[in-house]
Amino acid sequence: GAVVSQHPSWVICKSGTSVKIECRSLDFQATTMFWYRQFPKQSLMLMATSNEGSKATYEQGVEKDKFLINHASLTLSTLTVTSAHPEDSSFYICSASVGLAGALEHEQFFGPGTRLTVL
Amino acid sequence: KNQVEQSPQSLIILEGKNCTLQCNYTVSPFSNLRWYKQDTGRGPVSLTIMTFSENTKSNGRYTATLDADTKQSSLHITASQLSDSASYICVVRGGTTSGTYKYIFGTGTRLKVLA
Repeated sequence: GAVVSQHPSWVICKSGTSVKIECRSLDFQATTMFWYRQFPKQSLMLMATSNEGSKATYEQGVEKDKFLINHASLTLSTLTVTSAHPEDSSFYICSASVGLAGALEHEQFFGPGTRLTVL
Repeated sequence: KNQVEQSPQSLIILEGKNCTLQCNYTVSPFSNLRWYKQDTGRGPVSLTIMTFSENTKSNGRYTATLDADTKQSSLHITASQLSDSASYICVVRGGTTSGTYKYIFGTGTRLKVLA
């Protein structure tokens, strides 16, 4: 149980185009989804937290107009990188959580990640 | 400032040997601490979770310890296998002034197991 998928697993795009990454919780309904970015040999950096049906909360320094997050249902969240540039090339990972964020058992289940390369 | 520091940054060991990874945190208030294994090009997978009252927890060849007084945790890997080669990330969940929770990620330890 608690499987999270991401699509695509990798994508190469030209500079200036937009790319959409999907994150799905396959066997549970996710109250909250998180989006992370990871550069080589670095740990995950939280970009934003999104709750179903409401606007995402972005971390300081993350441009909300550039990284559009939509969490339209309890099983799907999307991250759109708009007008992508080479410096946006990174490994993007989502996670989904079930249950109340304040509950002790609250756990994040991570997707397999999406490798974005912007030429 | 809430921080999670891991050591060593990288480690190379021979197959069959044991190793211990360290995690020091300054997160307050503390909720729980998880160790994750992240294979290259994959998302992290949870190995163990420890709360304030737990000192030791095992998951197969992985044993995590927690000392809440010194705010230190360790992950011990016994009889290492080639498949243990990965990054190991310590994540501490802590509270915020607004009453919500935040996950603070360590920088990870990259483990390489050689045949």
